[in-house]
Amino acid sequence: ETGVTQTPRHLVMGMTNKKSLKCEQHLGHNAMYWYKQSAKKPLELMFVYNFKEQTENNSVPSRFSPECPNSSHLFLHLHTLQPEDSALYLCASSQGPRRNTEAFFGQGTRLTVV
Amino acid sequence: DQQVKQNSPSLSVQEGRISILNCDYTNSMFDYFLWYKKYPAEGPTFLISISSIKDKNEDGRFTVFLNKSAKHLSLHIVPSQPGDSAVYFCAASADDYKLSFGAGTTVTVRA
Repeated sequence: ETGVTQTPRHLVMGMTNKKSLKCEQHLGHNAMYWYKQSAKKPLELMFVYNFKEQTENNSVPSRFSPECPNSSHLFLHLHTLQPEDSALYLCASSQGPRRNTEAFFGQGTRLTVV
Repeated sequence: DQQVKQNSPSLSVQEGRISILNCDYTNSMFDYFLWYKKYPAEGPTFLISISSIKDKNEDGRFTVFLNKSAKHLSLHIVPSQPGDSAVYFCAASADDYKLSFGAGTTVTVRA
């Protein structure tokens, strides 16, 4: 399997639930990202990891907790979410921190908070 | 503060004609620009990029033009095909690997 794989593809969770999103990349990249895409809005960068170290937290609420155990895997742990957190969550990877390189995206997890 | 703006949320074009998508940016430090294409239920896929040292980059039916003085770039697709119907995102980066995205333009190619 190649590219960036995200699981699950769809997730419905209650506001008191705890769930995790998983991302795996098979491209040998060093940088991994979480983006949030809400309807009709730009993709919002949430977290950046380079060589397993978090280098960016874009003022994301603490109810979102990332984890990067190695350079191929990235998790987003979710707890006590709000309905407005419903969105498409995209994982991406790139050669990083090298400049001028494109990011490769997974298919995303469509999250609905009820 | 949105640094990358795609002011046209949608574009409809007839098959075989040219599609022109526009993107404006405000951060003068941006030096690398990309276009991504996204189908429903899929993640964005990289389409074409351009460095700030160039004003044009062409790849098959896709050409990106960069006007640094106007802080404007555009994507031309010619000829447009039904498979080009998708959402197109403009993105930019400034001396690092983080991408700032526009809100996207939905292109519909009519047969």
